[in-house]
Amino acid sequence: DAGITQSPRYKITETGRQVTLMCHQTWSHSYMFWYRQDLGHGLRLIYYSAAADITDKGEVPDGYVVSRSKTENFPLTLESATRSQTSVYFCASRDLAYEQYFGPGTRLTVT
Amino acid sequence: AQRVTQPEKLLSVFKGAPVELKCNYSYSGSPELFWYVQYSRQRLQLLLRHISRESIKGFTADLNKGETSFHLKKPFAQEEDSAMYYCALSSWGKLQFGAGTQVVVTP
Repeated sequence: DAGITQSPRYKITETGRQVTLMCHQTWSHSYMFWYRQDLGHGLRLIYYSAAADITDKGEVPDGYVVSRSKTENFPLTLESATRSQTSVYFCASRDLAYEQYFGPGTRLTVT
Repeated sequence: AQRVTQPEKLLSVFKGAPVELKCNYSYSGSPELFWYVQYSRQRLQLLLRHISRESIKGFTADLNKGETSFHLKKPFAQEEDSAMYYCALSSWGKLQFGAGTQVVVTP
C-alpha cells in the first residue's frame, strides 16, 4: 500500500524495557517526523529527519533514539521505557509543498 | 519563542449552528499556518492551510496578522464535524501544534 504506515499499532511494555516503533513511507519524502500526542499538550515533536542519516531533536527528545539508514524508514526507539512515555505516537512525512502526512499512530502503554 | 494557543479544549455546538475555533500564534517571521483534523480513532489529516485560501468541508480560516490569529469557522455545523482540531504553525519545515480543540456537534 502506498502511504505511511506504523507498526505495531498497539504495544504494552514494562518499565525499563526497550521498545522500537516502526515507521515506513512509500513516497520517498525527504523529511520525516515523530510526534507524541497527549491530552492537553496536543502533538509534540520528538525527533525529525531531513534525509537518510540526518536526524535532529525536536521539543521532547529525552529518552528516545532515532535512526534513518534508509529514506523510507524512520524507527523510534525508547531505550528504557518509563510510564511517562505512555502515549500515542505518530509518524509523519512531508512533501515539497510542506504538507505533512501522518501515519495511523501507535498506542503505547508502559506499565 | 513561537507558540500556538488554542484556548478552548472543548466546544459543544448544535447541528446547524455556527462554529468558530480560536487559534492564536506568536511568531517573529511570516507565519505559515495550518488546521489539521483528527476524526475518532483516525490519523490526522490536513484540513486547510492559509496560503491556499480554500474552503474545505465548509470550513474557512483567515490569517489576521494584526491579531496574530487564524480562527477556523463554519457557518453550519454538521454531526460529521465532530472531531479534534489542531492549529499548527510551520517553522523551518517543522510543525508546532496547539493543544487541540475537541468539537462535539449534537443533533
